[in-house]
Amino acid sequence: NAGVTQTPKFQVLKTGQSMTLQCAQDMNHEYMSWYRQDPGMGLRLIHYSVGAGITDQGEVPNGYNVSRSTTEDFPLRLLSAAPSQTSVYFCASSPRQGIGEQYFGPGTRLTVT
Amino acid sequence: AQSVTQPDIHITVSEGASLELRCNYSYGATPYLFWYVQSPGQGLQLLLKYFSGDTLVQGIKGFEAEFKRSQSSFNLRKPSVHWSDAAEYFCAVGILTGGGNKLTFGTGTQLKVEL
Repeated sequence: NAGVTQTPKFQVLKTGQSMTLQCAQDMNHEYMSWYRQDPGMGLRLIHYSVGAGITDQGEVPNGYNVSRSTTEDFPLRLLSAAPSQTSVYFCASSPRQGIGEQYFGPGTRLTVT
Repeated sequence: AQSVTQPDIHITVSEGASLELRCNYSYGATPYLFWYVQSPGQGLQLLLKYFSGDTLVQGIKGFEAEFKRSQSSFNLRKPSVHWSDAAEYFCAVGILTGGGNKLTFGTGTQLKVEL
């Protein structure tokens, strides 16, 4: 049971490049979410999904796309990277029933130059 | 909209001393409250959570937190800090949405432990 996994751990992009941050969980959790962490700002919700085929925007969705084709995977796409997207990105999952613990992945540190 | 305030950005305590990290929340309904810890370079780990019932909740690693509705607070405490407790601590409030839950985090408190 690997929990929540994220790849890559580190990434450097040039402005305008695109990339996909991968997130997978093996706990059969229906709820998955993406957060970004910036110094002095805590974690802010980007997008979330309550099940396969269902996604919604969080607090800071601009510049990011998501899709959820399977229960296990929830990739985050940056279509045209900007320096403002330099951050640490965390994926999390939880069981759908009510308020449950969210399990976090180890994070991806992204730098956009 | 809900919000969480952690007024202390940095706290330094001596090993063996007691610890209290402050958290205040703003939310119109009954809050679901969490404390997470993040060690350097790591993801977040849940310390404890409050949903309802007893206002004093026990967590892992010897931590506890007390929910005080009148003060809109959920402060984290530990009687005797260990050097391994040095980390960043986040308070969060959760709301139900479409069967899942959305977390709003505070800005975090960085704990340093002096030996």
